[in-house]
Amino acid sequence: QVQLQQWGAGLLKPSDTLSLTCGVYGGSFSGYTWSWIRQPPGRALEWVGQVDQSGSTSSKSSLQSRITMSIDPSKTQFSLKLSSVTAADTAVYYCARMLQRSLSMDVWAKGTRVTVSS
Amino acid sequence: QSALTQPASVSASPGQSISISCTGTIRDVGTYDLVSWYRHHPDKAPQLLIYEVSERPSGVSDRFSGSKSGNTASLTISGLQAEDEADYFCCAYASGSDFVVFGGGTKLTVL
Repeated sequence: QVQLQQWGAGLLKPSDTLSLTCGVYGGSFSGYTWSWIRQPPGRALEWVGQVDQSGSTSSKSSLQSRITMSIDPSKTQFSLKLSSVTAADTAVYYCARMLQRSLSMDVWAKGTRVTVSS
Repeated sequence: QSALTQPASVSASPGQSISISCTGTIRDVGTYDLVSWYRHHPDKAPQLLIYEVSERPSGVSDRFSGSKSGNTASLTISGLQAEDEADYFCCAYASGSDFVVFGGGTKLTVL
């Protein structure tokens, strides 16, 4: 059964770069889109972006200028970098596997709490 | 403000049935049958319950069902159990550059 495990720094200072990696274990890496979602404190989930196996990316328009996503099929990992973070980027970040046909996310990691504070 | 509107909370007793609505617009729920529902227990990974409005992944209980009418999708949970106490959120495809939108989430309390 496929599992996602994510890791990265949980405490950042303003202007730092957020960096998270998600490992895919126990299942196929191809044929899916790999997504990032976040949930700010007390707020709704928010789609951050996604990357497919070819490395093609899509991201939330308000984050596009600061976001970099990549994929490494040889390691079955994908990554998110968000530059110049502010307090508004404080959230629990999740990585998830997205089914390309239904755009539903059938496997999620438990999430990483990222706090941006001076 | 979320793109999709859900009630903030709902409560019911074990064994009862509840429905959670997810209201969008013609840009998302009203046009595309790409609505999914998730259950999220605190500090755990969210779980996919329903995809494509009413399809259930293998392994998900048939107590969970989905439907759609116009711009509103709904999740119905029958035979409520204590383990159903969680946050539920909907997700939909939307036309435009930000094509994945979420609801604000609904906290289900099993009394």
